[in-house]
Amino acid sequence: EVQLVESGGVLVKPGGSLRLSCAASGFTFSTYHMNWVRQAPGKGLEWVSSISSSSYIYYADSVTGRFTISRDSARDSLYLKMNSLRAEDTAVYYCVRGGGNIPMDVWGQGTTVTVSS
Amino acid sequence: SYVLTQPPSVSVAPGKTARITCGGYNIGSKSVHWYQQKPGQAPVLVIYDGDDRPSGIPERFSGSNSGNTATLIISRVEAGDEADYYCQVWDSSSDHWVFGGGTRLTVL
Repeated sequence: EVQLVESGGVLVKPGGSLRLSCAASGFTFSTYHMNWVRQAPGKGLEWVSSISSSSYIYYADSVTGRFTISRDSARDSLYLKMNSLRAEDTAVYYCVRGGGNIPMDVWGQGTTVTVSS
Repeated sequence: SYVLTQPPSVSVAPGKTARITCGGYNIGSKSVHWYQQKPGQAPVLVIYDGDDRPSGIPERFSGSNSGNTATLIISRVEAGDEADYYCQVWDSSSDHWVFGGGTRLTVL
């Protein structure tokens, strides 16, 4: 079964840091583009970052310079390092497969990040 | 930056056809994807590349894309179709994925 499982979401203070992880299974992780998409409470979907199978990286303007996406194909895992966190980063963060010529066809269940003092 | 515009809400009676639009400059030249999200759940891909359906998605779901408007069409609407729907494209000029603001479909 194709599956993505996120972890690492917690309550963190403004200005703090956090690393989210996503464990992939059931498909050849190294051959797929991967993404992070977030959803603030009661709001719509917002793309955060993408990393291609060959590690080309893209960021939304709202997180450039603060977030870092990475992948480890030996561990079939995707990561998002989040620095200088702000209240507006509070959201459910989804790990998502897709990109290039493939739509976002597999989504994890999400992990919740809350930034509050 | 590229902007996708969706109506906040659409209402439809059971058994009728729902049309959810997604407006964007020259969107007809792009591959448009549509996602369904029910409360408390992760989004699900329902249409990709404008009018293709992933396996497991009912034939009642279809799409069109031309000019400045893409449309998600849900025929013979059922109560279970009530959800938020999002359109999405890849903006190659900025190398950004872009989502529309979402449309809440209400089945009357």
